[in-house]
Amino acid sequence: AQTVTQSQPEMSVQEAETVTLSCTYDTSESDYYLFWYKQPPSRQMILVIRQEAYKQQNATENRFSVNFQKAAKSFSLKISDSQLGDAAMYFCAYFTSGTYKYIFGTGTRLKVLA
Amino acid sequence: NAGVTQTPKFRVLKTGQSMTLLCAQDMNHEYMYWYRQDPGMGLRLIHYSVGEGTTAKGEVPDGYNVSRLKKQNFLLGLESAAPSQTSVYFCAIKTPIAYEQYFGPGTRLTVT
Repeated sequence: AQTVTQSQPEMSVQEAETVTLSCTYDTSESDYYLFWYKQPPSRQMILVIRQEAYKQQNATENRFSVNFQKAAKSFSLKISDSQLGDAAMYFCAYFTSGTYKYIFGTGTRLKVLA
Repeated sequence: NAGVTQTPKFRVLKTGQSMTLLCAQDMNHEYMYWYRQDPGMGLRLIHYSVGEGTTAKGEVPDGYNVSRLKKQNFLLGLESAAPSQTSVYFCAIKTPIAYEQYFGPGTRLTVT
């Protein structure tokens, strides 16, 4: 069975600094997708970035980038130039078209210090 | 978020009462999902649907029923609410573009 693990329940970063959130997953599939979602205090789930497993190039969206290591089954999120508005829960998620289901990690709470 | 709405936003139930949560989309997506979110446990899949008239069980289906009579709507029912069903419930749709998932605003349900 596929699993997603976020081993950091909470992280802190100084404003304008860089922080990396970790995510590992377990799967026997070769074709899948990985996502990072942000959940601010408003509770709304917001898609931050996605990565297709067949792509070797790491995805980037403005200040957000990923380090995708397929062999190690690792998918970390790097946030550069952290802003106060980045404070939120961050969830890593896995999807395979074989099951049409998404599997989420337990989340990492990110605090941004002014 | 791709026009996903949830009704109601908040609800307090007494043990044994029933209720239905409504999820509606203003697009034409086939796949819809119901999750519950509990502290320290992330999002867990309750039920999902791959199209009108179809439903399937997720990870934690016990105590819930669902229906997808119309493509735009996905209903989640609690026949006899229990305190263990106190949670935040999210509905989501899956887009065909890179399998991105978009969520409704959530419903906070408290069962006393």
